[in-house]
Amino acid sequence: QQQVKQSPQSLTVQKGGISIINCAYENTAFDYFPWYQQFPGKGPALLIAIRPDVSEKKEGRFTISFNKSAKQFSLHIMDSQPGDSATYFCAARQMDSSYKLIFGSGTRLLVRP
Amino acid sequence: GAVVSQHPSWVICKSGTSVKIECRSLDFQATTMFWYRQFPKQSLMLMATSNEGSKATYEQGVEKDKFLINHASLTLSTLTVTSAHPEDSSFYICSASGGRRGEQYFGPGTRLTVT
Repeated sequence: QQQVKQSPQSLTVQKGGISIINCAYENTAFDYFPWYQQFPGKGPALLIAIRPDVSEKKEGRFTISFNKSAKQFSLHIMDSQPGDSATYFCAARQMDSSYKLIFGSGTRLLVRP
Repeated sequence: GAVVSQHPSWVICKSGTSVKIECRSLDFQATTMFWYRQFPKQSLMLMATSNEGSKATYEQGVEKDKFLINHASLTLSTLTVTSAHPEDSSFYICSASGGRRGEQYFGPGTRLTVT
C-alpha cells in the first residue's frame, strides 16, 4: 500500500510564481523526508531534505514545510523558473537499518515563461 | 561530492539474452546500494537493497533469479537481468548510500529496451 501520498499530479505555474507540492504520510516510523527533482531520461537528484524535528528548511528558492502532527510536508518553489520544469518526488525514509525510501507518486511541474 | 555513475546509459537487447548494468559510487564508499525501476510517467519502484559482501534483499514480487544483484565492493554493484523479455523494458536506476546520515544519491539511470 502507498504510504506517501503526493499531490497534485501535475502543476502549471507562470514564471515568477510559487509552486507548491504537498505530501502526506501514513506511517510514523520515518526519520527523514527528502525531495527529489527528476528531468526526463535522468536519475532523480536530491533537492532538499528535512528531519522531523524541524518545521521548516529553506535552501535558496526551495523551502520544505513540515507538520509532524498532521503528518504532512510540502515543497515550495519561490520565483519559479522555466528551468524548474521537471518531475518532483517526495519521499520518506524508513526508521530502521534498511534506510529504504518510500516515494510519492510524483508531480510534473511546468513553468510557463 | 556524492557522485553515482551507471553503465551503460542505454542498452538494447534481444529477448532471451542477459544484460548487466553497473552502478558505481565515484567519490564515497557505499555500504548500501538500491536498485529501482521506473516505468514512463510513474514513480520509482524499489526492486532490491544490497549491502556490500552480503546477499541482496528483494522486494515482494521481484524475482531474485531474474534480477541478479551483486555488491562485490564498497563502490560497485551490478544488476543482471537474465533471460530478458520485452516486459522488462524499463528505466533502471541505482542509488548509493554511505556514511552516518544514510542519504541516498542516485545514478543517471539505464534505459533497457528488450526487442
